[in-house]
Amino acid sequence: GAGVSQSPSNKVTEKGKDVELRCDPISGHTALYWYRQSLGQGLEFLIYFQGNSAPDKSGLPSDRFSAERTGGSVSTLTIQRTQQEDSAVYLCASSFLELGGYTFGSGTRLTVV
Amino acid sequence: QQPVQSPQAVILREGEDAVINCSSSKALYSVHWYRQKHGEAPVFLMILLKGGEQKGHDKISASFNEKKQQSSLYLTASQLSYSGTYFCGTASLYDKVIFGPGTSLSVIP
Repeated sequence: GAGVSQSPSNKVTEKGKDVELRCDPISGHTALYWYRQSLGQGLEFLIYFQGNSAPDKSGLPSDRFSAERTGGSVSTLTIQRTQQEDSAVYLCASSFLELGGYTFGSGTRLTVV
Repeated sequence: QQPVQSPQAVILREGEDAVINCSSSKALYSVHWYRQKHGEAPVFLMILLKGGEQKGHDKISASFNEKKQQSSLYLTASQLSYSGTYFCGTASLYDKVIFGPGTSLSVIP
């Protein structure tokens, strides 16, 4: 597609429920990244996929967070047993190899009530 | 380690210049610069690679001093459209970008 597409754009969930966030990167971009941005804060790295290599999961805050990337394209970030501190905007980005600039999606605003 | 940005915030009048600095304690391969407007996704401005270089387009340019592990973003003759939060991001070779805390820039008439 022309840009990075994320869905849903907004998600309100009850504490303790699981959520899935989807990212569809730019076609041909080999690298895909997930970041989290809390209100008024910076961009916190979560996880990074590059081609067929094992993902860099070093930024995941707990084992409740997981992500996969199928067929080198679409990625899903899953948060199990959501907590209120998980409320944030989850941003996906893609790039052509690691040396290119990142194109960000519009994000998913997650609110845990 | 997260890079350090300064200043945290700056207010400019239209036409004034600004410099935003970014430094890291870690050896860098690349420095990225992004601008984020309120309620929107960050937008890529430019990337500078190891070797020490300067880049620019229009009235926004940047430099990368590899020895000092520092980068600076220069905004000249600022316009209202320059308002937003500027993030620098740093990366080692073949690694993800770690972003700084951001610098809020407001341009007023």
